[in-house]
Amino acid sequence: DAKTTQPPSMDCAEGRAANLPCNHSTISGNEYVYWYRQIHSQGPQYIIHGLKNNETNEMASLIITEDRKSSTLILPHATLRDTAVYYCIVRGFYNQGGKLIFGQGTELSVKP
Amino acid sequence: DAEITQSPRHKITETGRQVTLACHQTWNHNNMFWYRQDLGHGLRLIHYSYGVQDTNKGEVSDGYSVSRSNTEDLPLTLESAASSQTSVYFCASSESGLGELFFGEGSRLTVL
Repeated sequence: DAKTTQPPSMDCAEGRAANLPCNHSTISGNEYVYWYRQIHSQGPQYIIHGLKNNETNEMASLIITEDRKSSTLILPHATLRDTAVYYCIVRGFYNQGGKLIFGQGTELSVKP
Repeated sequence: DAEITQSPRHKITETGRQVTLACHQTWNHNNMFWYRQDLGHGLRLIHYSYGVQDTNKGEVSDGYSVSRSNTEDLPLTLESAASSQTSVYFCASSESGLGELFFGEGSRLTVL
């Protein structure tokens, strides 16, 4: 699995967009970018994933650069409940069923 | 609603004792996973299973074992608990392929 690099921590004002970057310069063509988050002491929660096109769901948007070497998770209107550790994970197609390998993630603090 | 449950949620045991953490899911998912989470290490994969009678070692499998006798359950056994195995343990499940992983609420184990 390709490694990812994320900033260890970020702050965001409540109501503003939170933009969380992730570098995955060694990603290969059949690998997807996944984002999970972990709110304090709870099990991780799936947010979104993508291959090369931008993706949007009810929780967030995922922007993947054209060369696929980096991506940004966007929480459009962050709330205090979005305070969590966010994990960017690269996951291969042939890695059947997941075997998500977590890095250190970004600790996002949403402040009033 | 389908769910994934872990038990016990909290356990204190002594060094050398055998401990089993239970994980039960009602989605009929083929794939199940055990992770541990420690400060400074994030989530690390212990063992995983792609179906009944299938088990595989993850990143940190030494001192742990699993067995998969049915689709719903993947118990994690510590044959002889050590203080280094004090941690929070998360179980997860997913459908085959690149399906979303659903995590349990975690089991906090303290080995004295």
